[in-house]
Amino acid sequence: SQKIEQNSEALNIQEGKTATLTCNYTNYSPAYLQWYRQDPGRGPVFLLLIRENEKEKRKERLKVTFDTTLKQSLFHITASQPADSATYLCALASNYQLIWGAGTKLIIKP
Amino acid sequence: DGGITQSPKYLFRKEGQNVTLSCEQNLNHDAMYWYRQDPGQGLRLIYYSQIVNDFQKGDIAEGYSVSREKKESFPLTVTSAQKNPTAFYLCASSIDPTSSGRKFFGPGTRLTVL
Repeated sequence: SQKIEQNSEALNIQEGKTATLTCNYTNYSPAYLQWYRQDPGRGPVFLLLIRENEKEKRKERLKVTFDTTLKQSLFHITASQPADSATYLCALASNYQLIWGAGTKLIIKP
Repeated sequence: DGGITQSPKYLFRKEGQNVTLSCEQNLNHDAMYWYRQDPGQGLRLIYYSQIVNDFQKGDIAEGYSVSREKKESFPLTVTSAQKNPTAFYLCASSIDPTSSGRKFFGPGTRLTVL
């Protein structure tokens, strides 16, 4: 069956360290992958989009990688800050559908 | 200030009632979407519309209805046929109506069945 998985357990990171979140998928051939940030009780906010032919994408302290062989995307936040605490969602674009992961909650401790 | 607004923020429904969730956007986007979010699950698509006066069912359309009479408005009605409507409902829009298009989300409506 087709699945997209994000770590359901919260990720606790010390302020200043790099946070790395994982998005794994099976039985998809995604053309694009998107990452969003969602704060409690709010709608998701778009962060980055990476295409299947791109290995890496950066935006300020954010970096996304996309490995179609491993069927995995990694989302990195460098020099993490307490304000980065939120739930991060990945979404795959495949066959004209957008398939969403359940998200990983990130907690940055001062 | 462009964006998407949803109202109300909280909504309570009694058994057997129909309720309508509002979604308005001033981004001039053609495509609009309704998603449902439940704890521990990814967003699930209820309905989407790529153009005025046209809309398509998503993965979980049963018990829901929509209309798209104006470009900026895409209201969602949760009917009494929806047996488990308690959830967080998110409206979104995008310039690109294909699946790869970046989505702009509203603040959401939390619906609770009493």
